[in-house]
Amino acid sequence: DVKVTQSSRYLVKRTGEKVFLECVQDMDHENMFWYRQDPGLGLRLIYFSYDVKMKEKGDIPEGYSVSREKKERFSLILESASTNQTSMYLCASRPGITAQHFGDGTRLSIL
Amino acid sequence: ILNVEQSPQSLHVQEGDSTNFTCSFPSSNFYALHWYRWETAKSPEALFVMTLNGDEKKKGRISATLNTKEGYSYLYIKGSQPEDSATYLCAFSNFGNEKLTFGTGTRLTIIP
Repeated sequence: DVKVTQSSRYLVKRTGEKVFLECVQDMDHENMFWYRQDPGLGLRLIYFSYDVKMKEKGDIPEGYSVSREKKERFSLILESASTNQTSMYLCASRPGITAQHFGDGTRLSIL
Repeated sequence: ILNVEQSPQSLHVQEGDSTNFTCSFPSSNFYALHWYRWETAKSPEALFVMTLNGDEKKKGRISATLNTKEGYSYLYIKGSQPEDSATYLCAFSNFGNEKLTFGTGTRLTIIP
């Protein structure tokens, strides 16, 4: 079974802090994705990566950056956290154009 | 940004009854349509990936159909059980695009 692991289930940070959300997958998938989920808005894509050191902006990249130094790890970075970034963050991976495998999510609160 | 719409937003169904809901998506440059089930406190789980017009897929009591020409997919649940309570998400991708665009989901509650 594919395993996508997000480093934290719950995280509380302060406004202005630099926040790192980590995601690791164990199936050598090329594609990895970061989404946020907010009530009434569904899953929205922040960034994705189709290979090591490659990244593409999703629909809502403002205020975020990403890093993919190794194939199995895709990090989401909030450079200076703001309260409107309080959300549920989901990481996913998949090989090619197939079903996505999701992590359990990180519920991030910015105070 | 592509528009993927799901209806209804929420649904309450008596245990044992059958139900269905809809996903609408752009019909041009279609590549794939995904269905996921997302139970509370768990991660979304893939149900189906459909690529061909007229496709029908089945997994136990759950099945899905696809009409790419008119841009819709139906998800059916036969004989609903309490464990079917979840949010059902559909997602669409078009040619040459690695991204999936998700709908806002249908929240299904099964009443025992």
